[in-house]
Amino acid sequence: SQQGEEDPQALSIQEGENATMNCSYKTSINNLQWYRQNSGRGLVHLILIRSNEREKHSGRLRVTLDTSKKSSSLLITASRAADTASYFCATDENNTDKLIFGTGTRLQVFP
Amino acid sequence: DAGVTQSPTHLIKTRGQQVTLRCSPKSGHDTVSWYQQALGQGPQFIFQYYEEEERQRGNFPDRFSGHQFPNYSSELNVNALLLGDSALYLCASSLSSASNQPQHFGDGTRLSIL
Repeated sequence: SQQGEEDPQALSIQEGENATMNCSYKTSINNLQWYRQNSGRGLVHLILIRSNEREKHSGRLRVTLDTSKKSSSLLITASRAADTASYFCATDENNTDKLIFGTGTRLQVFP
Repeated sequence: DAGVTQSPTHLIKTRGQQVTLRCSPKSGHDTVSWYQQALGQGPQFIFQYYEEEERQRGNFPDRFSGHQFPNYSSELNVNALLLGDSALYLCASSLSSASNQPQHFGDGTRLSIL
Protein backbone atom coordinates (compact mmCIF):
# COMPACT_ATOMS: atom_id res chain seq x y z
CA SER A 1 0.00 0.00 0.00
CA GLN A 2 1.11 3.57 -0.66
CA GLN A 3 1.32 5.84 2.36
CA GLY A 4 1.52 9.08 0.47
CA GLU A 5 0.29 10.69 -2.67
CA GLU A 6 2.19 13.28 -4.63
CA ASP A 7 0.49 16.07 -6.47
CA PRO A 8 0.65 16.79 -9.34
CA GLN A 9 1.28 13.40 -10.96
CA ALA A 10 3.17 15.16 -13.76
CA LEU A 11 4.65 18.63 -14.17
CA SER A 12 6.25 20.27 -17.21
CA ILE A 13 8.17 23.56 -16.92
CA GLN A 14 10.86 25.60 -18.68
CA GLU A 15 14.42 25.87 -17.43
CA GLY A 16 14.77 28.65 -14.88
CA GLU A 17 11.24 28.27 -13.55
CA ASN A 18 10.44 26.95 -10.08
CA ALA A 19 8.84 23.55 -9.58
CA THR A 20 6.60 22.76 -6.62
CA MET A 21 5.33 19.30 -5.79
CA ASN A 22 3.21 18.27 -2.85
CA CYS A 23 2.93 15.13 -0.77
CA SER A 24 0.13 14.02 1.52
CA TYR A 25 0.35 11.11 3.95
CA LYS A 26 -2.00 9.25 6.23
CA THR A 27 -0.45 8.30 9.56
CA SER A 28 1.69 9.92 12.25
CA ILE A 29 5.36 10.13 11.33
CA ASN A 30 8.80 10.79 12.81
CA ASN A 31 10.41 11.86 9.54
CA LEU A 32 9.64 12.59 5.94
CA GLN A 33 12.17 12.17 3.15
CA TRP A 34 12.27 13.21 -0.50
CA TYR A 35 13.97 11.16 -3.20
CA ARG A 36 14.67 11.62 -6.92
CA GLN A 37 14.67 8.82 -9.49
CA ASN A 38 16.03 9.16 -12.99
CA SER A 39 14.46 6.85 -15.55
CA GLY A 40 15.52 3.25 -15.04
CA ARG A 41 17.81 4.06 -12.14
CA GLY A 42 17.74 3.77 -8.37
CA LEU A 43 16.49 6.48 -6.07
CA VAL A 44 18.72 9.25 -4.76
CA HIS A 45 18.11 10.77 -1.33
CA LEU A 46 17.53 14.54 -1.45
CA ILE A 47 16.50 15.72 2.00
CA LEU A 48 15.09 14.53 5.31
CA ILE A 49 12.84 16.65 7.52
CA ARG A 50 11.90 15.65 11.05
CA SER A 51 8.37 15.93 12.40
CA ASN A 52 9.38 18.80 14.71
CA GLU A 53 10.80 20.84 11.81
CA ARG A 54 8.68 23.06 9.57
CA GLU A 55 11.14 23.97 6.82
CA LYS A 56 14.50 22.80 5.52
CA HIS A 57 16.80 23.96 2.74
CA SER A 58 19.47 22.22 0.73
CA GLY A 59 20.95 24.14 -2.21
CA ARG A 60 18.11 24.84 -4.65
CA LEU A 61 15.72 22.63 -2.66
CA ARG A 62 13.26 23.84 -0.05
CA VAL A 63 11.05 21.41 1.85
CA THR A 64 8.18 22.29 4.15
CA LEU A 65 6.26 20.03 6.50
CA ASP A 66 2.83 20.61 8.03
CA THR A 67 2.07 17.73 10.40
CA SER A 68 -1.37 19.12 11.25
CA LYS A 69 -2.36 18.75 7.58
CA LYS A 70 -0.21 15.66 7.05
CA SER A 71 1.42 17.26 4.05
CA SER A 72 4.80 18.32 2.71
CA SER A 73 6.02 20.28 -0.28
CA LEU A 74 9.24 20.23 -2.28
CA LEU A 75 10.27 23.39 -4.11
CA ILE A 76 13.05 23.29 -6.70
CA THR A 77 14.16 26.80 -7.60
CA ALA A 78 15.74 27.86 -10.90
CA SER A 79 15.16 24.41 -12.43
CA ARG A 80 17.56 22.85 -14.92
CA ALA A 81 17.05 20.22 -17.61
CA ALA A 82 19.06 17.85 -15.39
CA ASP A 83 16.30 18.08 -12.76
CA THR A 84 14.07 16.02 -15.09
CA ALA A 85 13.16 12.95 -13.01
CA SER A 86 10.47 11.44 -10.82
CA TYR A 87 10.27 12.75 -7.26
CA PHE A 88 8.94 10.71 -4.34
CA CYS A 89 8.18 11.47 -0.73
CA ALA A 90 8.64 8.72 1.85
CA THR A 91 7.53 8.47 5.46
CA ASP A 92 7.96 6.06 8.35
CA GLU A 93 4.52 4.49 8.64
CA ASN A 94 2.96 4.81 12.11
CA ASN A 95 6.38 5.64 13.61
CA THR A 96 7.86 2.30 12.55
CA ASP A 97 11.10 1.87 10.62
CA LYS A 98 9.21 0.89 7.46
CA LEU A 99 9.82 3.50 4.77
CA ILE A 100 6.64 3.96 2.75
CA PHE A 101 6.81 5.82 -0.56
CA GLY A 102 4.24 7.92 -2.32
CA THR A 103 3.13 7.61 -5.91
CA GLY A 104 5.58 10.19 -7.28
CA THR A 105 5.59 13.34 -9.40
CA ARG A 106 7.15 13.14 -12.87
CA LEU A 107 8.95 16.42 -13.55
CA GLN A 108 9.98 17.41 -17.08
CA VAL A 109 12.18 20.49 -17.45
CA PHE A 110 12.53 21.77 -21.01
CA PRO A 111 15.70 23.62 -22.05
CA ASP B 1 33.85 4.00 -2.19
CA ALA B 2 31.45 1.58 -3.88
CA GLY B 3 27.78 2.30 -3.55
CA VAL B 4 25.00 -0.26 -3.44
CA THR B 5 25.41 -2.92 -6.11
CA GLN B 6 22.73 -5.32 -7.30
CA SER B 7 22.87 -8.36 -9.53
CA PRO B 8 21.74 -9.31 -12.02
CA THR B 9 20.57 -6.11 -13.75
CA HIS B 10 17.95 -7.92 -15.83
CA LEU B 11 16.30 -11.30 -15.50
CA ILE B 12 13.61 -13.16 -17.42
CA LYS B 13 11.73 -16.02 -15.77
CA THR B 14 8.54 -17.98 -16.41
CA ARG B 15 5.57 -18.46 -14.12
CA GLY B 16 6.14 -20.94 -11.31
CA GLN B 17 9.91 -20.56 -11.30
CA GLN B 18 12.02 -19.30 -8.42
CA VAL B 19 14.46 -16.37 -8.47
CA THR B 20 17.26 -15.06 -6.26
CA LEU B 21 18.38 -11.44 -6.41
CA ARG B 22 21.53 -10.18 -4.73
CA CYS B 23 22.61 -6.93 -3.10
CA SER B 24 25.85 -5.60 -1.67
CA PRO B 25 25.34 -2.59 0.59
CA LYS B 26 27.34 0.62 0.59
CA SER B 27 30.56 0.28 2.55
CA GLY B 28 29.94 0.87 6.25
CA HIS B 29 26.20 0.19 6.09
CA ASP B 30 24.68 -2.63 8.13
CA THR B 31 20.99 -2.48 7.16
CA VAL B 32 19.46 -3.63 3.89
CA SER B 33 15.89 -3.02 2.72
CA TRP B 34 14.19 -4.43 -0.37
CA TYR B 35 11.51 -2.73 -2.44
CA GLN B 36 9.34 -3.71 -5.40
CA GLN B 37 8.57 -0.97 -7.92
CA ALA B 38 5.93 -1.61 -10.56
CA LEU B 39 6.00 0.52 -13.69
CA GLY B 40 4.78 4.06 -12.99
CA GLN B 41 4.43 3.45 -9.25
CA GLY B 42 6.42 4.26 -6.14
CA PRO B 43 8.60 1.62 -4.48
CA GLN B 44 6.74 -0.73 -2.13
CA PHE B 45 8.54 -1.92 1.02
CA ILE B 46 9.08 -5.70 1.07
CA PHE B 47 11.29 -6.19 4.13
CA GLN B 48 14.33 -4.99 6.00
CA TYR B 49 17.32 -6.93 7.34
CA TYR B 50 19.52 -5.87 10.22
CA GLU B 51 21.99 -8.06 12.12
CA GLU B 52 21.07 -10.96 9.83
CA GLU B 53 17.43 -10.89 10.93
CA GLU B 54 14.25 -9.69 9.25
CA ARG B 55 13.28 -6.64 11.32
CA GLN B 56 10.34 -5.21 9.40
CA ARG B 57 8.06 -6.63 6.74
CA GLY B 58 5.64 -5.05 4.32
CA ASN B 59 2.45 -6.50 2.92
CA PHE B 60 4.01 -9.25 0.79
CA PRO B 61 3.21 -12.99 0.84
CA ASP B 62 5.53 -15.66 2.22
CA ARG B 63 6.68 -16.41 -1.34
CA PHE B 64 9.00 -13.46 -0.76
CA SER B 65 11.86 -14.31 1.58
CA GLY B 66 15.30 -13.01 2.23
CA HIS B 67 18.58 -13.43 3.94
CA GLN B 68 21.40 -11.25 5.21
CA PHE B 69 24.95 -12.55 5.47
CA PRO B 70 27.62 -11.67 8.06
CA ASN B 71 29.21 -9.27 5.57
CA TYR B 72 25.83 -7.43 5.42
CA SER B 73 25.10 -8.44 1.83
CA SER B 74 21.60 -9.70 1.21
CA GLU B 75 19.49 -11.90 -1.04
CA LEU B 76 15.85 -11.67 -2.01
CA ASN B 77 14.16 -14.93 -2.98
CA VAL B 78 10.80 -15.20 -4.70
CA ASN B 79 9.15 -18.60 -5.16
CA ALA B 80 6.30 -19.67 -7.45
CA LEU B 81 6.62 -16.58 -9.62
CA LEU B 82 3.46 -14.91 -10.88
CA LEU B 83 3.03 -12.56 -13.81
CA GLY B 84 2.34 -9.78 -11.30
CA ASP B 85 5.82 -10.17 -9.85
CA SER B 86 7.23 -8.43 -12.93
CA ALA B 87 8.82 -5.24 -11.56
CA LEU B 88 12.01 -3.41 -10.72
CA TYR B 89 13.42 -4.77 -7.46
CA LEU B 90 15.43 -2.22 -5.53
CA CYS B 91 17.83 -2.76 -2.69
CA ALA B 92 18.69 0.06 -0.31
CA SER B 93 21.23 0.21 2.48
CA SER B 94 21.54 2.50 5.47
CA LEU B 95 23.68 3.03 8.55
CA SER B 96 21.05 1.58 10.85
CA SER B 97 17.51 0.33 10.84
CA ALA B 98 16.18 3.61 12.19
CA SER B 99 13.79 5.50 9.96
CA ASN B 100 15.80 8.72 10.28
CA GLN B 101 18.60 7.31 8.13
CA PRO B 102 18.74 8.17 4.42
CA GLN B 103 18.49 5.13 2.18
CA HIS B 104 21.15 4.54 -0.48
CA PHE B 105 19.69 2.69 -3.44
CA GLY B 106 21.17 0.42 -6.07
CA ASP B 107 19.98 0.64 -9.67
CA GLY B 108 17.80 -2.41 -9.26
CA THR B 109 17.10 -5.72 -10.95
CA ARG B 110 14.49 -5.62 -13.69
CA LEU B 111 12.53 -8.91 -13.39
CA SER B 112 10.24 -9.94 -16.23
CA ILE B 113 7.89 -12.92 -15.86
CA LEU B 114 6.65 -14.59 -19.04
